[in-house]
Amino acid sequence: GQQLNQSPQSMFIQEGEDVSMNCTSSSIFNTWLWYKQDPGEGPVLLIALYKAGELTSNGRLTAQFGITRKDSFLNISASIPSDVGIYFCAGVPNTGNQFYFGTGTSLTVIP
Amino acid sequence: GAGVSQSPSNKVTEKGKDVELRCDPISGHTALYWYRQRLGQGLEFLIYFQGNSAPDKSGLPSDRFSAERTGESVSTLTIQRTQQEDSAVYLCASSSEIYNEQFFGPGTRLTVL
Repeated sequence: GQQLNQSPQSMFIQEGEDVSMNCTSSSIFNTWLWYKQDPGEGPVLLIALYKAGELTSNGRLTAQFGITRKDSFLNISASIPSDVGIYFCAGVPNTGNQFYFGTGTSLTVIP
Repeated sequence: GAGVSQSPSNKVTEKGKDVELRCDPISGHTALYWYRQRLGQGLEFLIYFQGNSAPDKSGLPSDRFSAERTGESVSTLTIQRTQQEDSAVYLCASSSEIYNEQFFGPGTRLTVL
């Protein structure tokens, strides 16, 4: 199935630094979602975006729905060790109900 | 229940045996999805159920894979004649009709020896 282009593939940062990751697609989506997956767990929904240009925050996390509807980014400010994990984006098109997932960004926070 | 549950959490089987994985979606969620996640990889779509409509089976990798769902409740994913390449975490997710948000279960880790 289709997968979104997510970058970077991995990040190693110092505690306290800000993080930015993004997803791009050749297709237009109506919804963008960001998930975090801890080892041995299922992905957990962090932020959902429903409108082009929308900027939504959840604590230290901020995500934006790109104006072209073909991209989204996630920022994490002042990273802490528990931010470690794999972050996935997902897009939902206008037709059908299949969710398309990014390839994931592995985040390591060095204390 | 409060969230999506899956069982078993871990399954070790011998090559050639059949396995059945279970998913209990969030109550009231009409849509249910199965994904496969190989070690260090992203999510690979397998199958999608929406209410009483015919399921979207476009992601099933071979005819050894099948899934059923009774109404808007439990789903089972069956893998027949398992192969070592089937070793992965199998994730189930559900969503409501109103919101385009999937909620995932903890997954079943399948190891085929």
